[in-house]
Amino acid sequence: GDSVTQTEGLVTLTKGLPVMLNCTYQTTYSPFLFWYVQHLNEAPKLLLKSSTDNKRTEHQGFYATLHKSSSSFHLQKSSVQLSDSALYFCALSDRGYAQGLTFGLGTRVSVFP
Amino acid sequence: DTTVKQNPRYKLARVGKPVNLICSQTMNHDTMYWYQKKPNQAPKLLLFYYDKILNREADTFEKFQSSRPNNSFCSLYIGSAGLEYSAMYLCASSRELGGRYAEQFFGPGTRLTVL
Repeated sequence: GDSVTQTEGLVTLTKGLPVMLNCTYQTTYSPFLFWYVQHLNEAPKLLLKSSTDNKRTEHQGFYATLHKSSSSFHLQKSSVQLSDSALYFCALSDRGYAQGLTFGLGTRVSVFP
Repeated sequence: DTTVKQNPRYKLARVGKPVNLICSQTMNHDTMYWYQKKPNQAPKLLLFYYDKILNREADTFEKFQSSRPNNSFCSLYIGSAGLEYSAMYLCASSRELGGRYAEQFFGPGTRLTVL
């Protein structure tokens, strides 16, 4: 079956430093990858999405590139802010519309001054 | 308004008692989903409604019921709560836009504690 792996459970870093959150996936279908961000006591919100191989997608300073050859969709930011402290989920959809998402465990990012 | 609302935000239930969770959206989305998230686990799809058609995951088929009386509302029903149902329940919705995939909009979740 499908799966999504996020290797870091918790990432702590200082404001202004770069961050990369790992996401790899397994599927036998054509993948569509998503990154969702969830701030404390709020709803998860879509951050990035992509189904195009080797094309960088960007939003709010975050960026990711889907690499089908390595089944990866890592999330990066060059300079984190305090407001980036949140839970980040990588998710996979692969069988068209009206199907559920397969999520990773999530990575909690804590940014300190 | 692109929000998905969930009520209540926190729910306390007794073992063996029924539980009903409510989700609503005013975006005219055709599909509504329910996910369950437990600590240190990934969110897991329980079921979804595509228009009026209910689709339930095979491994949770008998544990959860749902209804969608109109396009805006969707409920998740547990007939007899057990301790294992303690979790965060996330509702989401989406609208088919002609492509293969569409963004799912999530609510803030209902945290269910079964005692």
